[in-house]
Amino acid sequence: GDSVTQMEGPVTLSEEAFLTINCTYTATGYPSLFWYVQYPGEGLQLLLKATKADDKGSNKGFEATYRKETTSFHLEKGSVQVSDSAVYFCALRSNSGGSNYKLTFGKGTLLTVNP
Amino acid sequence: DAGVIQSPRHEVTEMGQEVTLRCKPISGHNSLFWYRQTMMRGLELLIYFNNNVPIDDSGMPEDRFSAKMPNASFSTLKIQPSEPRDSAVYFCASSTGTSGSYNEQFFGPGTRLTVL
Repeated sequence: GDSVTQMEGPVTLSEEAFLTINCTYTATGYPSLFWYVQYPGEGLQLLLKATKADDKGSNKGFEATYRKETTSFHLEKGSVQVSDSAVYFCALRSNSGGSNYKLTFGKGTLLTVNP
Repeated sequence: DAGVIQSPRHEVTEMGQEVTLRCKPISGHNSLFWYRQTMMRGLELLIYFNNNVPIDDSGMPEDRFSAKMPNASFSTLKIQPSEPRDSAVYFCASSTGTSGSYNEQFFGPGTRLTVL
């Protein structure tokens, strides 16, 4: 079945540091890929997405590129801020079969950014 | 515009008690999802409704769990009887779209359930 593996946290960085959170996936066909963010006490919010190979999703300074050859979708940001402290989830949606509604999530990575 | 509304935000109960979690989806959304989040298993889809009809309940753990959607603006997830291993954060999410299609899911703030 489909699965998503992301680097375990917690990740602790200083403000303005470079961020990478690794994500790899296993899926049949050509899934769509997502990054969600969960701020303390809130639900998940879609951060960015990519629907086909070599697509780059970007939002709020975050980027991730859909790499089919390495089945990866790593999240990056050049300069993190304290307000980026949150839990980040990588997810995929299979585009095959009748389960197009179903998201498969990674375990989440807690990011803490210190001033 | 209000997002997905869940109540209660926190629930503490004793083993064996009935627990009912509530969700109001975003107006105009016709798909509704219930998820459970635990440290061990991460985020899991419990059940998916489209146009108030349960489409996929394969994630519901066992018969103690049940979910209903009596109308387009309200859904409940009930656990009876509750057990300590049901302790988790339960999220409701809603989206537009037809069964089998996908549009962005909008998540509520979650209900943190603790069963003693």
